[in-house]
Amino acid sequence: QVQLQESGPGLVKPSQTLSLTCTVSGGSISSGNHYWTWIRQSAGMGLEWIGRIYASGSTSGRTDYHPSLKSRVAMSLDTSKNQFTLSLTSVTATDTAIYYCARAGNWGREWYLDLWGRGTLVSVSS
Amino acid sequence: QSVLTQPPSVSAAPGQKVSISCSGSSSNIANNYIGWYQQLPGTAPKLLIYDTNKRPSGIPDRFSGSKSGTTATLGITGLQTGDEADYYCETWDSSLGAWVFGGGTKVTVL
Repeated sequence: QVQLQESGPGLVKPSQTLSLTCTVSGGSISSGNHYWTWIRQSAGMGLEWIGRIYASGSTSGRTDYHPSLKSRVAMSLDTSKNQFTLSLTSVTATDTAIYYCARAGNWGREWYLDLWGRGTLVSVSS
Repeated sequence: QSVLTQPPSVSAAPGQKVSISCSGSSSNIANNYIGWYQQLPGTAPKLLIYDTNKRPSGIPDRFSGSKSGTTATLGITGLQTGDEADYYCETWDSSLGAWVFGGGTKVTVL
């Protein structure tokens, strides 16, 4: 059974870079037709999609980011470790949130988030 | 503020029905398929409805989805205490080029 687990610092200072890793277990990140995504949830903003990365075939490594975060976000793959990562630069207090990694599968006509990690709380504070 | 608008809360007695609306625009709900997620307290969201009105295996038929114009609706019939959770709608916004979510609706069973 495929599982996702987020890891990374729980506290980041303002203006620094937030870095998180999602480890996929129970299956290969490169197999199947999936987008690997990051979502965050803060008290004031609800759920917010950060971005996604594709890990299969000729388009492996293709990324899409939310336009409001695009200038600060980067996602990457490490297929040898079965992981994908999130980097968010120049963080402020508004980036404080629970960060989830999730898998998007192709269900019928669209992509849906069908498997989620437990989430990790990241606080931005000096 | 979320791109998709949901009521903050709805409530009903056990066995009753609730409907949760999700209002958007022509760039999202009107021309794309809708997903609904259930988030039980302290847990990650779970896919409840996909392609506007379809249920993944294991989701009871008490949960249903529909859409009319720029508004999608999640219905829950035969309300149970285990249904107390936050519910989120989600779809692709073609103008933004992004997945967008509603602000979430808290369902309370009285």
